[in-house]
Amino acid sequence: KNQVEQSPQSLIILEGKNCTLQCNYTVSPFSNLRWYKQDTGRGPVSLTIMTFSENTKSNGRYTATLDADTKQSSLHITASQLSDSASYICVVSERGSTLGRLYFGRGTQLTVWP
Amino acid sequence: DTGVSQDPRHKITKRGQNVTFRCDPISEHNRLYWYRQTLGQGPEFLTYFQNEAQLEKSRLLSDRFSAERPKGSFSTLEIQRTEQGDSAMYLCASSQDSNQPQHFGDGTRLSIL
Repeated sequence: KNQVEQSPQSLIILEGKNCTLQCNYTVSPFSNLRWYKQDTGRGPVSLTIMTFSENTKSNGRYTATLDADTKQSSLHITASQLSDSASYICVVSERGSTLGRLYFGRGTQLTVWP
Repeated sequence: DTGVSQDPRHKITKRGQNVTFRCDPISEHNRLYWYRQTLGQGPEFLTYFQNEAQLEKSRLLSDRFSAERPKGSFSTLEIQRTEQGDSAMYLCASSQDSNQPQHFGDGTRLSIL
């Protein structure tokens, strides 16, 4: 069964601190992995997308890593800001799927305190 | 704003009523998806269109649910005889192809009284 598991479920950090969110998946065959940020009451917004051959990708203060052998990914947030408070969702796409269907994790709820 | 737009943003209705939501995707995107999201969960796939063709429906999409995309542009999702368990955020997303990020709308939050 294709699954995406994220940890921790929730996280509270102080403004300016760094944090790392984890994602483990069993989706196979693998096509790509995406991290989305979802603010409360809004739709998810894409942060990064990585294919099988990519190990790391950055988008500003966000850096995503991918280990396709162990089927793990992480999202590192540097120098957190209050606006980083959101749910971060790991999403995995299945290779060969012409439908582009995605498998979503439950998300990590990040709260940044001043 | 040329992103994905959904209407209405909020819908409150009594159990047993029918509701219809609309999604306008990004204009050049031929793929359109509907998802349902409940509190504390990630989005769950409901159905997918490529142009006007509905290519896949999830088991979550019971016979009370129907989706259309008549001209390959906007899409509607209708729920008939709503139940309390239908209360959720209904998200629409669009993309150019399966390798491009899906762009999400801000969803329609449905509350069943």
